[in-house]
Amino acid sequence: AQKVTQAQTEISVVEKEDVTLDCVYETRDTTYYLFWYKQPPSGELVFLIRRNSFDEQNEISGRYSWNFQKSTSSFNFTITASQVVDSAVYFCALSEVKTGGFKTIFGAGTRLFVKA
Amino acid sequence: DTAVSQTPKYLVTQMGNDKSIKCEQNLGHDTMYWYKQDSKKFLKIMFSYNNKELIINETVPNRFSPKSPDKAHLNLHINSLELGDSAVYFCASSQDLQGERSYTFGSGTRLTVV
Repeated sequence: AQKVTQAQTEISVVEKEDVTLDCVYETRDTTYYLFWYKQPPSGELVFLIRRNSFDEQNEISGRYSWNFQKSTSSFNFTITASQVVDSAVYFCALSEVKTGGFKTIFGAGTRLFVKA
Repeated sequence: DTAVSQTPKYLVTQMGNDKSIKCEQNLGHDTMYWYKQDSKKFLKIMFSYNNKELIINETVPNRFSPKSPDKAHLNLHINSLELGDSAVYFCASSQDLQGERSYTFGSGTRLTVV
C-alpha cells in the first residue's frame, strides 16, 4: 500500500540551527516520485523538489538539502542555518505511476517554527 | 504577471448550491491540477489534466466536475455543495506530466459551506 509518514508533527528550533525533517514512504512500485512542498503561514503552496526513484543522488539547493535513501525508504529534508522565514508546514509526497497517470499521496506535514 | 491565478479567493455559500472555481495559468504548461486541503491541513490531489485530457481522477465524488476548455484553464465545478466540501482548493500547473522542471501553485480558494 502507498503511504507517507512524517513522524514529526512540529519542530521548534532557534535561528541558525540545522534541522532535518523526516519522511518515510511505503510503496511496492519500482518507479515512483517523491516531492517536498512548503506552505508558509500565508497559506500558499510552494514546490521545493521532485526526485524519481532511480536517482538516489542527494540534492543541495542553497541552504536546503535532500537525502534520498531507498534502502530505508526515506527522503529527508535538511535546512542548514535555519531562518525565521523557513517557518512553515512542510509536506512530503509520494507519486506512483499508474495506468493513465499517477497516484499521489501526501504526508500529514511537519510544522517548523524557527525562532529568532 | 501572475503565473497561476485562481478566482475567487474566498467563497462562502450555502449547502446545496452549485459553485465554480476558475484557474488560469500563463506559463505555457501542459499539465494542470486541483488539490484539496481540509481543515486539518491534509492535502489531497483531486484531478490532473494533461493537454486538456483528464489523467487522474482520484477518489472524488462526481459532484466535482473539472472542465478544461484549453491548456491554460482548468475550472472546478461543484454541484450540491456539502458541509464537508469546506476546504482550501489549490490549482497548480507543471511543464509536463511528471512535473520535473516546474510546478507552480495558485494562491488557493477558501471555500466555506454553511
